[in-house]
Amino acid sequence: DGGITQSPKYLFRKEGQNVTLSCEQNLNHDAMYWYRQDPGQGLRLIYYSQIVNDFQKGDIAEGYSVSREKKESFPLTVTSAQKNPTAFYLCATTGASGSYEQYFGPGTRLTVT
Amino acid sequence: AQKITQTQPGMFVQEKEAVTLDCTYDTSDQSYGLFWYKQPSSGEMIFLIYQGSYDEQNATEGRYSLNFQKARKSANLVISASQLGDSAMYFCAMRENIGYQKVTFGIGTKLQVIP
Repeated sequence: DGGITQSPKYLFRKEGQNVTLSCEQNLNHDAMYWYRQDPGQGLRLIYYSQIVNDFQKGDIAEGYSVSREKKESFPLTVTSAQKNPTAFYLCATTGASGSYEQYFGPGTRLTVT
Repeated sequence: AQKITQTQPGMFVQEKEAVTLDCTYDTSDQSYGLFWYKQPSSGEMIFLIYQGSYDEQNATEGRYSLNFQKARKSANLVISASQLGDSAMYFCAMRENIGYQKVTFGIGTKLQVIP
């Protein structure tokens, strides 16, 4: 099946630990994105990547890091510098033609205590 | 200034009735795209409908239509014949020409369909 996978669905960490969220796609899409969603809020862009080995900061990049070594993969690391890491994290991709609608993964709910 | 404004935090609609979810946007670009997404309680985001700024006809996809009023910068979503499964959060979003693959989302409207 073509799509986007994010693992795990639920993740628990202690404060002060770095944690990496996985995002893999087999849609052959060039662009990939990470969003954060807080309760009752819309999506806020953390990082995005338009091609392999290149990525740009979004609106709330502080305390996060990414890599894009392969077209299929765009992992997000939530570092200990992120002050409020507990949130729902969504990964998305965009195709290269048409309306550029985004395709989303199922999300990872991160809880840091 | 907010780029996407959704002023209805919550809406109720009777099953089988139509409902309009409001969205206004702000951009100085001539070329842009507008999207609506649905987010059920499970969390995944589902693409519903797209309207390009140069499209003269309002977009339609099944029971969804987008009421695009360019001069007023509004892109309201109309859901006809509401079903119980339509209960979800709905997000309006915009892709601007500058940084063309960057998308901005509104804060969403929670729709509840009443049997």
